Amino acid sequence: AQTVTQSQPEMSVQEAETVTLSCTYDTSENNYYLFWYKQPPSRQMILVIRQEAYKQQNATENRFSVNFQKAAKSFSLKISDSQLGDTAMYFCAFMKRTGTASKLTFGTGTRLQVTL
Amino acid sequence: NAGVTQTPKFQVLKTGQSMTLQCAQDMNHEYMSWYRQDPGMGLRLIHYSVGAGITDQGEVPNGYNVSRSTTEDFPLRLLSAAPSQTSVYFCASSPGLVNTEAFFGQGTRLTVV
Repeated sequence: AQTVTQSQPEMSVQEAETVTLSCTYDTSENNYYLFWYKQPPSRQMILVIRQEAYKQQNATENRFSVNFQKAAKSFSLKISDSQLGDTAMYFCAFMKRTGTASKLTFGTGTRLQVTL
Repeated sequence: NAGVTQTPKFQVLKTGQSMTLQCAQDMNHEYMSWYRQDPGMGLRLIHYSVGAGITDQGEVPNGYNVSRSTTEDFPLRLLSAAPSQTSVYFCASSPGLVNTEAFFGQGTRLTVV
């Protein structure tokens, strides 16, 4: 079974600064996907960024980028130029590439507070 | 563009009552799933479906039933509600293995007293 660990329950960052959220995972699979989801106070789950394990290049989406280290099973999220609207819970998630989709394994989340 | 629609958004049940949480998607997605979210535990998979007529258990299936008679609908049934089922429930759908993005409903906050 896969496990996903987020070791930072809470983090705080000032507006316009950069913050990195950590995620490690454990799996025996070689082909898989990794995701970061954002959950603002509205409770809606929003996909932030996705990484395919067979791609060596780190994914980037505007101010969001990842540092994917497959050998170390690490998948951190960097948020640059933090904005107040980035305040949310952030969940790291794992999905096997083979088998069934929509079968995500989530970490316990990191609550990020962006302050003025 | 409705996406994934869950009803109700809030529900209070008495111990022993049964109810069905509804989930519908209008994106013709094959894959659908139910998760529960508890403080400090992230989201955990309850049941999932890879297509109409096919369902399987996830990590925490006890006390819940599902069925998938159509591509669009994937209801979650609580057979006899218990306080341990107090949680926020999310339904999700995704197109398939090629496009893996999961789309989530807005969640149902369920309280069992």
